[in-house]
Amino acid sequence: ELKVEQNPLFLSMQEGKNYTIYCNYSTTSDRLYWYRQDPGKSLESLFVLLSNGAVKQEGRLMASLDTKARLSTLHITAAVHDLSATYFCAVPNAGGTSYGKLTFGQGTILTVHP
Amino acid sequence: EAQVTQNPRYLITVTGKKLTVTCSQNMNHEYMSWYRQDPGLGLRQIYYSMNVEVTDKGDVPEGYKVSRKEKRNFPLILESPSPNQTSLYFCASSWGSFMNTEAFFGQGTRLTVV
Repeated sequence: ELKVEQNPLFLSMQEGKNYTIYCNYSTTSDRLYWYRQDPGKSLESLFVLLSNGAVKQEGRLMASLDTKARLSTLHITAAVHDLSATYFCAVPNAGGTSYGKLTFGQGTILTVHP
Repeated sequence: EAQVTQNPRYLITVTGKKLTVTCSQNMNHEYMSWYRQDPGLGLRQIYYSMNVEVTDKGDVPEGYKVSRKEKRNFPLILESPSPNQTSLYFCASSWGSFMNTEAFFGQGTRLTVV
């Protein structure tokens, strides 16, 4: 059974600092998705990582995927208050009866303060 | 505008009173699914559908039913709601399985069962 674990689950950052959110998963998958959720809102797609070594950047966020290590990182550079949100990684199941199902991490609640 | 629409957005109901949460997408997507979101648990899949008249259980199907009579609609039915079904529910759709395409999420339905 695929398990996806994020850490940390809570992250309080000062503006201007850098930090990384980690997403580990337990079975083989060569793709991974990152989503952002603002309080009371839906999930917004941030990054689609489709192969080993994939790196994508959007503004102050950069995501990478290492399929051999079964690890994805979401790096935050020079955090600003607008980045405060909950971030989820999600991994599609690659086989068996759950083929194609998305399994989510628990989410990382990020708070950026002055 | 391409979107996934859920209704209602907020619902308070009493134990045992049947309810339906509707989900509609206008993107001609084949794949649709329902998730529930609970603090610290991320999103967990309830049911999914790969096409019209094809549905299957996700991780937490107990107490829920679905139907897929038309491609665009995928309602979630709670025949006899209980307080442990109080949660935030999301409908999602995609072109194919999540192995190949990212998911688009509805706005969410916050359900409270008293």
